[in-house]
Parts: sequence; structure tokens; C-alpha cells
Amino acid sequence: GENVEQHPSTLSVQEGDSAVIKCTYSDSASNYFPWYKQELGKRPQLIIDIRSNVGEKKDQRIAVTLNKTAKHFSLHITETQPEDSAVYFCAASKRGGSYIPTFGRGTSLIVHP
Amino acid sequence: DTGVSQNPRHKITKRGQNVTFRCDPISEHNRLYWYRQTLGQGPEFLTYFQNEAQLEKSRLLSDRFSAERPKGSFSTLEIQRTEQGDSAMYLCASSLAWTGEQETQYFGPGTRLLVL
Repeated sequence: GENVEQHPSTLSVQEGDSAVIKCTYSDSASNYFPWYKQELGKRPQLIIDIRSNVGEKKDQRIAVTLNKTAKHFSLHITETQPEDSAVYFCAASKRGGSYIPTFGRGTSLIVHP
Repeated sequence: DTGVSQNPRHKITKRGQNVTFRCDPISEHNRLYWYRQTLGQGPEFLTYFQNEAQLEKSRLLSDRFSAERPKGSFSTLEIQRTEQGDSAMYLCASSLAWTGEQETQYFGPGTRLLVL
């Protein structure tokens, strides 16, 4: 089955700095990669996703890049703000049936004001 | 609120008791997923439904766990003879599956279970 590794487990940055979270996946058939943000005690919320037919996607301060050959994808947050502090999860899934995502273990992002 | 809802939000029970959780998906969504999340981990898949049919179950779903979605709308997850290891956040998600397209899952707020 699919295996998703996520690094780092904890990331501490100063407000205004950039943050990068990296994930690798094992199943080359995976072709959908969502990122979720989960604040303490709240539900995971989708913040951005990317499909395998593109290499990069951007939404304001958030961008995701995908390298299919290397089987890794990354989340980039620019101009971080304290409200970006949360746990971020990457996931990988594939078309053809259940679309069940395999999640990474999460990255706790702390943005210091 | 048109998002995914779950009830109860918190449940404390004694070991050996049965518990039941409910999930109400986004109304037009035909797929419904159950996940379990423990501290420091990502959500782990338990089972999913397309309409009323339960199409897949994880090996994590022991015989003590059962899920239903009788009318293809809300779903229930029951845990019988709870064990302390069942303590976790139980998340529900729903999506609208399009043929040939990946789907985006929308999560509910979860039910936090504590087994004493």
C-alpha cells in the first residue's frame, strides 16, 4: 500500500519568514495530493491540493510543488503569520475506486510573532 | 451550517461499554468516510460508503466496530465492548465522487472518545 513520509515533524519560524514542509510517497500510481491544516481541537481543513498533471499550484501565500519522478511534493508558505500556526498534513491518493488518502504524520508549524 | 457535522463532540465511557457516533455529511455528497486520529498522527482510514453501500473496510476496523449508512445520508459508527486503546478522535469526511476525477474530502469536527 501507499506510504507517505512527512518532514519535519516540527517547524518553528519567525513571522514573515517562509516555511516549507516536504512529503514523499511510495506508490507511483498516486495522482492526487491534498494538504490539510488542523488547528488545535478543530477539524482538518483543505488548504490546497495538486493533481499529477501539474507541477505547481499557487494560492496567495500558499504554493505546492510536485515532482512525480522523485515522488515528492512540498508545501510552501510565504510571509508566515501567527495564525498560520497549526498542524499541517499531506496526503496522497489515486484515482480508480476509493480515493482513500494516506496521510503523513503531520508537521506542527509554530510562527513566532 | 452546511458542512459536515458529528455528534457527540465528546464521549467519555467506561471500558466494556458500547458507544455510537453519528455523522451528517454535506447533503449532496455521496461518499462518506470514517477515520481515526490519535495524538501526533494523521487520520487513519477506517471505512467508507458510497451512498448506502459500505465499499471498503480497513484492517484497523476490528469486529467490535460496525458502521452503517442506511439511507445513504447520515452514518453511524458503533464500537462495542470499548477498550482503552479505542480512545482517539473519530473523524468523518464526505465528498462528491466524479467519474474520472479525484475528490476533495471535507471533514467534520470529530468525536473525541475517552475510554476509562
